[in-house]
Amino acid sequence: KAGVTQTPRYLIKTRGQQVTLSCSPISGHRSVSWYQQTPGQGLQFLFEYFSETQRNKGNFPGRFSGRQFSNSRSEMNVSTLELGDSALYLCASSSEGWTTKPEAFFGQGTRLTVV
Amino acid sequence: SQQGEEDPQALSIQEGENATMNCSYKTSINNLQWYRQNSGRGLVHLILIRSNEREKHSGRLRVTLDTSKKSSSLLITASRAADTASYFCATVSPQGGSNYKLTFGKGTLLTVNP
Repeated sequence: KAGVTQTPRYLIKTRGQQVTLSCSPISGHRSVSWYQQTPGQGLQFLFEYFSETQRNKGNFPGRFSGRQFSNSRSEMNVSTLELGDSALYLCASSSEGWTTKPEAFFGQGTRLTVV
Repeated sequence: SQQGEEDPQALSIQEGENATMNCSYKTSINNLQWYRQNSGRGLVHLILIRSNEREKHSGRLRVTLDTSKKSSSLLITASRAADTASYFCATVSPQGGSNYKLTFGKGTLLTVNP
């Protein structure tokens, strides 16, 4: 069974640009969550998609958006990049809700550097 | 915002010793999980404990949960150099209706010296 795949692994962008990150969850998993990890703030929850609907959202500005496709693959978009957006972006997939089979399976992350 | 707060932030021990990490949280939970992260990589699920459980074991791992104190601890026995990693607690908490959210603490950096 293939794991969670995130692409690209590394990305360098310039301030003001936009970026799209991709996450392919484990086959059969319907929930995809996104997290931003920085040394100062730790793991911050961005949003969660379940069956193509955004189910939960963290406290990030509207520049951060996402979507989920019918095959459960998810994309995360950040517009008008700022230096502070430099981080490791992690995607996690889960089979159902967080109470029945709550274990999350993580991808290796996308390391975004904004210069 | 963080739900869980790990303590200590960093821990350095010798191989063979036991390592104990603590996690405190603020709101009611359905379950609490511990994850491990090797430097700059994805997180790996270690163990889960539900709110109606008090203790779970898995190999060299032992986790306890005290819902009255809103705290959990992770014990790694007979530590090895390969256990060097960051350890995070994560809580699943209700958001209303049947909606739950998984949130993480800031983690404990464990260094096991050979």
